[in-house]
Amino acid sequence: EIVLTQSPATLSVSPGERATLSCRASQDVSFFLAWYQQKPGQAPRLLIFNASNRATGIPARFSGFGSGTDFTLAINNLAPEDSAVYYCQHRNNWLSLSFGGGTKVEI
Amino acid sequence: QVQLQESGPGLVKPSGTLSLTCTVSNISISSYYWGWIRQPPGKGLEWIGYVHSSGSTNSSPSLKSRVTMSADTSKNQFSLHLTSVTAADTAVYYCARLKQIWFDYWGQGMLVTVSS
Repeated sequence: EIVLTQSPATLSVSPGERATLSCRASQDVSFFLAWYQQKPGQAPRLLIFNASNRATGIPARFSGFGSGTDFTLAINNLAPEDSAVYYCQHRNNWLSLSFGGGTKVEI
Repeated sequence: QVQLQESGPGLVKPSGTLSLTCTVSNISISSYYWGWIRQPPGKGLEWIGYVHSSGSTNSSPSLKSRVTMSADTSKNQFSLHLTSVTAADTAVYYCARLKQIWFDYWGQGMLVTVSS
């Protein structure tokens, strides 16, 4: 089973700054990784798919990088509405899915 | 726009069966995979499983023995059944569309509490 480890657990940043979130896989997952944003009381929202592709309607401030075992979600020019928990997610070769533990971003 | 809505009992007794239905609007469930994800209060996301409109399924190894899923194309719905529930199954349950490896459309979620 592939485990996704996200760091840091919590990230405190100021408006206008850049946030960098990490997701590390215990085995090579190629580029099969997605990122979600979840605000309190809401369902997760897809941000990034296939490691670096922005989903429909997602601002260019959000960008994804990486392949293999190390992935990064970068959020430029942070705004108060970006306060949320961010999760990474992948699918392995046996078609099982899993989520990382999440990173809480506080603005 | 595509909409998903979970429905079912919000309270289930221990050792009972949790049953949820997801009704999909503005898109046919045919030819797609549809998934279930849950989130215990204050915790992270856990993948439960997914079902194809044809009826084929795959579920998390940790839940496989207790999970049954199905799809009804005539009603544009798909369903989840989780047996032998305990308090550890208390969570917000989400349904979502699975596109390749990611979930692009989500329901609003439904809290299911396991308690006597």
